[in-house]
Amino acid sequence: AQSVTQLDSHVSVSEGTPVLLRCNYSSSYSPSLFWYVQHPNKGLQLLLKYTSAATLVKGINGFEAEFKKSETSFHLTKPSAHMSDAAEYFCVVTLYGGSQGNLIFGKGTKLSVKP
Amino acid sequence: SQTIHQWPATLVQPVGSPLSLECTVEGTSNPNLYWYRQAAGRGLQLLFYSVGIGQISSEVPQNLSASRPQDRQFILSSKKLLLSDSGFYLCAWSRGESYNSPLHFGNGTRLTVT
Repeated sequence: AQSVTQLDSHVSVSEGTPVLLRCNYSSSYSPSLFWYVQHPNKGLQLLLKYTSAATLVKGINGFEAEFKKSETSFHLTKPSAHMSDAAEYFCVVTLYGGSQGNLIFGKGTKLSVKP
Repeated sequence: SQTIHQWPATLVQPVGSPLSLECTVEGTSNPNLYWYRQAAGRGLQLLFYSVGIGQISSEVPQNLSASRPQDRQFILSSKKLLLSDSGFYLCAWSRGESYNSPLHFGNGTRLTVT
């Protein structure tokens, strides 16, 4: 069965330092994976997606993620955090062959950025 | 470009009152449409999704219902709200032709049932 685990519920970094948000997945098939960001009282915005092309995926706002099949991971990184990056981040995996309703969301990682 | 509109942004309703939340999508045809609920500390829960007019799939038995009267309109309703219906409701759409198309979300409705 497919699943997704975000290993940290809360990550705190200082402005200008690197960001690492961890995501592991479990899937019997080659998954499609996404990262979304949610600012307070807003909808979710797509940051980037992996759909079996290049394993290093670049997204918006300087974020990128690397698909590592051997480690079943899809961690989100950014070289230098900005105050505006403070938000909640969700890792999502799709279910192969399922209906359009079959997306699995991680429980989210709240990123705090200290000045 | 495609846009998604969801309203109202906030809503305070008494227990037992009806509910109607509306979502419309512009700039695309035959989208898949979704309603999610986000309760505090519980992540996102898929409530309903639709692959076409009049086609609604329900993921969780509950006090809510959904309808899709037009191709790009998705409505979430309740006849009598419960306290447990409080939460942040998100509408989303995706392209219908690919199972791995990303979701595009509206800005959400914060519902408080008192």
